[in-house]
Formats: sequence, structure tokens, C-alpha cells
Amino acid sequence: GESVGLHLPTLSVQEGDNSIINCAYSNSASDYFIWYKQESGKGPQFIIDIRSNMDKRQGQRVTVLLNKTVKHLSLQIAATQPGDSAVYFCAVLGGYNKLIFGAGTRLAVHP
Amino acid sequence: EAGVTQSPTHLIKTRGQQATLRCSPISGHTSVYWYQQALGLGLQFLLWYDEGEERNRGNFPPRFSGRQFPNYSSELNVNALELEDSALYLCASSLKGYNEQFFGPGTRLTVL
Repeated sequence: GESVGLHLPTLSVQEGDNSIINCAYSNSASDYFIWYKQESGKGPQFIIDIRSNMDKRQGQRVTVLLNKTVKHLSLQIAATQPGDSAVYFCAVLGGYNKLIFGAGTRLAVHP
Repeated sequence: EAGVTQSPTHLIKTRGQQATLRCSPISGHTSVYWYQQALGLGLQFLLWYDEGEERNRGNFPPRFSGRQFPNYSSELNVNALELEDSALYLCASSLKGYNEQFFGPGTRLTVL
């Protein structure tokens, strides 16, 4: 079946630096991808999404890049702030609206 | 606009009991999804309901079941609870025809 993996379980950055969180997926037919942020004790919060007909999409301080050739997805956070500290999940939409999640990367932002 | 709401926040049960978890979607959303987030296992898809019908089911035993009501709210029932059912149960909702799923805060189920 389809799987989603992350390259690093934890990422530690200095406040103000840019952060890059990576994700790999297995199904080349995947069409829709989402990034979520989950803070301690809360549900996942939608950050940004991208469809397979795009390579890049930008939001407020965040950019998602999609490389379909190598089945790789990344989330870039510009000027990382302490409030960005959380676990970040990538998810791929499987059949029948099922989201398949990666294991998550914990982002720690240090002053 | 209110987000997805779930109740209760916490639920403690003993092995063999039944648990009922509730979810209210964002106003206007007709689809409700249930996911299990167990420690160390990430989020696993459980169920998808749309307009009162079960549309998809994840790889979970039949003792995990649910339903969706005419007002689009939903219940997740877990029968014959086992220790490994302890997890955060998350509900999400989406507009019909849209892929974005918006999550609630979850119900923390502890089975003793």
C-alpha cells in the first residue's frame, strides 16, 4: 500500500533561521498533498496544500515544494519563530478521501 | 466560524468496556473523518462518513464503528476496549467535493 516517510524525526533551528522539513511518498499517482502542524495537546492544524499539477506553492512564511520525479515533498518555513515549535506532518490523499500521514518531524526553535 | 468540536476531551475506560466519542463538523461540511493517533504510530485513518453513509474504512477491526447523523455530526464507537486502543482520536471535516480536511482537538481515550 501507499506509504509516507519523513527524513528526520527532529529538527532543531535557531530563531530567525529558515527551516526545511522533508517528506517522501511512494505512489507516483498521488495527486494531493497537505502539511499539518500539531502543537502539544491540540489537533493537527492545516498549513498549506499542493496539487500534483504544481511544483511550488507559497503561503504566509511557508512554501511547499513538490518534486514528482523523486516523489519528494518539502515544507520551508521562513524566519522561524518560537511559535513554530510543533510536530509537522505531511499527508498524501489516498483513495476514497483517506489521508495517509508521515510519522512527523518535531521542530524545536531555540532563541 | 467555529471549528470542528469533539467531546469528551478525555475519556477513561477499563478493558472490555465500550467508548462513545462525538464530533461536530464545521458548519456546512458534510464529510466527517475519524483518525487514531496512538503514541509512536502517527495518524491512522479509521472511517469516512459523508451525508450519513460510511464511504471508506481503514484497517481496523469491526469493533470500531460509527455513524453520522442528519445534522452531519458523528459518533465513533469502540466496543470491547483493549489496552492498545488508548490513543488520541481525531475527527476532521471537509466540504463536499473538497480535499482539505480540518481537524478538531481530539478525544484522549485511556484504557486501563
